[in-house]
Amino acid sequence: SQQGEEDPQALSIQEGENATMNCSYKTSINNLQWYRQNSGRGLVHLILIRSNEREKHSGRLRVTLDTSKKSSSLLITASRAADTASYFCATANSGYSTLTFGKGTMLLVSP
Amino acid sequence: KAGVTQTPRYLIKTRGQQVTLSCSPISGHRSVSWYQQTPGQGLQFLFEYFSETQRNKGNFPGRFSGRQFSNSRSEMNVSTLELGDSALYLCASTDLKGFQETQYFGPGTRLLVL
Repeated sequence: SQQGEEDPQALSIQEGENATMNCSYKTSINNLQWYRQNSGRGLVHLILIRSNEREKHSGRLRVTLDTSKKSSSLLITASRAADTASYFCATANSGYSTLTFGKGTMLLVSP
Repeated sequence: KAGVTQTPRYLIKTRGQQVTLSCSPISGHRSVSWYQQTPGQGLQFLFEYFSETQRNKGNFPGRFSGRQFSNSRSEMNVSTLELGDSALYLCASTDLKGFQETQYFGPGTRLLVL
């Protein structure tokens, strides 16, 4: 079953613009992770934010987590054409290595 | 370190056949998880192995099974293939340091059932 739901389902922007994707989930979590997938290939881990953290940065990525609203956002600043991909949020609910994924946001960055 | 590897990368089978997929985790990682990705259902957890033991299992029929070897390599098997089993099967390995772990995914095996 899907835990998270990403919003929007698809996003089209120009290079240099910022892209914001949102994720909502239903149950309590240990951590929330964002992944990128290019054209049906493997998933690339982008960033992990723990349940006791509110914001985290990694390069051009900024992730926020609001556990009271059960939501997270991923901001990609100064987007590049190479950022074109599908982005998934995934939650870890227990100590086991089990991730529950959302359906993803398809990001298209045009040159 | 080398990343997670999966073999084969592509596979075509017919209904009723069985298939075995292989996953080699990152060196030193002892946890291996499997996921199925389809356009309709998205990414769904199949099972997770740690030290040769299945620790967790998703909501899939018994036709889906797996195992892990002493070197942490894992295989998953799907018997009596159905058309709906066509999917990208992803394997992920984890370096378990506490429970705040990151999962590293392989490139996947794309299975087509005809």
